[in-house]
Amino acid sequence: KNQVEQSPQSLIILEGKNCTLQCNYTVSPFSNLRWYKQDTGRGPVSLTIMTFSENTKSNGRYTATLDADTKQSSLHITASQLSDSASYICVVSHTGTASKLTFGTGTRLQVTL
Amino acid sequence: NAGVTQTPKFQVLKTGQSMTLQCAQDMNHEYMSWYRQDPGMGLRLIHYSVGAGITDQGEVPNGYNVSRSTTEDFPLRLLSAAPSQTSVYFCASSYSYPGAANYGYTFGSGTRLTVV
Repeated sequence: KNQVEQSPQSLIILEGKNCTLQCNYTVSPFSNLRWYKQDTGRGPVSLTIMTFSENTKSNGRYTATLDADTKQSSLHITASQLSDSASYICVVSHTGTASKLTFGTGTRLQVTL
Repeated sequence: NAGVTQTPKFQVLKTGQSMTLQCAQDMNHEYMSWYRQDPGMGLRLIHYSVGAGITDQGEVPNGYNVSRSTTEDFPLRLLSAAPSQTSVYFCASSYSYPGAANYGYTFGSGTRLTVV
């Protein structure tokens, strides 16, 4: 069964600190993996997309890594800001099937003063 | 450029009532989808469309109907609302199908539906 598991479920950090969110997947055949940021009351917004051959991709203070062998991805947030408070969702895409995505349940991040 | 527009933002229905959630995009995307988001669960696909006149069922289609008469619009109809349909509904559109390496989903801001 295709699954995406994220950890931790929730996280509280102080402003300015770094954090790393984890995503493990069992999706096959794998096409790509995206990290989305979802602010409260809003729809998800894409942060990064990674294909099988990519190990690292950055978007400002967000850096995603992918290990296709172990089927793990991480999202590292550097120098966190209050505006980083949101849910972060890992989404894995399957090849060969239209509109087939598997969503993780997300990590709820709260950045405090 | 509005992106994906969903209406209404909030709705309360009584059990057995019907309603239509509206979704419109102005990016000329062929692919559009409806998802529901429930606490503790990932987004689940209800229905999707790969172009005008073409729709198909997703993971949780029961109790919902869709149609795609134009590229821009993709309404979701609840036929007879049930408390189990209490959820947040998201419409999304993409310029390529999600299995492609370069797909890009744009999500609407959601409709929070409560069925009492």
